[in-house]
Amino acid sequence: DAKTTQPPSMDCAEGRAANLPCNHSTISGNEYVYWYRQIHSQGPQYIIHGLKNNETNEMASLIITEDRKSSTLILPHATLRDTAVYYCIVRAGQNFVFGPGTRLSVLP
Amino acid sequence: DVKVTQSSRYLVKRTGEKVFLECVQDMDHENMFWYRQDPGLGLRLIYFSYDVKMKEKGDIPEGYSVSREKKERFSLILESASTNQTSMYLCASTAVRGLSFGEQYFGPGTRLTVT
Repeated sequence: DAKTTQPPSMDCAEGRAANLPCNHSTISGNEYVYWYRQIHSQGPQYIIHGLKNNETNEMASLIITEDRKSSTLILPHATLRDTAVYYCIVRAGQNFVFGPGTRLSVLP
Repeated sequence: DVKVTQSSRYLVKRTGEKVFLECVQDMDHENMFWYRQDPGLGLRLIYFSYDVKMKEKGDIPEGYSVSREKKERFSLILESASTNQTSMYLCASTAVRGLSFGEQYFGPGTRLTVT
């Protein structure tokens, strides 16, 4: 599975969009990009995933560059409850590899 | 509402004890996973199972074994607990959807301390 690189931490003002980047330059053609988040003391929560098209659901949007070497998770209107560690994962097959992620702090 | 439950939130065991961690999912998912999570290391896969009685080693299987006798239940066993197995243990499940495998649903975790 390809490796991912994320900034260790980010801040975002409440009500503003949070844009979380992820680099996955060694991604291969059949590997999906997944995003999860983990709020303190809870198990990770699935957010969204995609292959090459941009995706949107009720939680977030996922923008994948045309060359698929990077992606951005967008939380359109961040709230204090979105404070969490966000993980970007690329995988094909059954194995997920979670790196250290990005700690997003939403500030009032 | 989908659910993955784990038998304990907190567990304290002594070195050398045999430890059982249980995970149950109610979504009829084929795949189940056990991870451990340690500060600075993210989540690391211990074992996974894609069917009843089937199991595959993950990245760090040493010191652990698993059992899947029923589709909804996946057990992690520490045959002889050691202090370096003190960690947060997370169970997850997912349905099979081709290469995508869908999203994983995680349990709340079991914080195990081995003294």
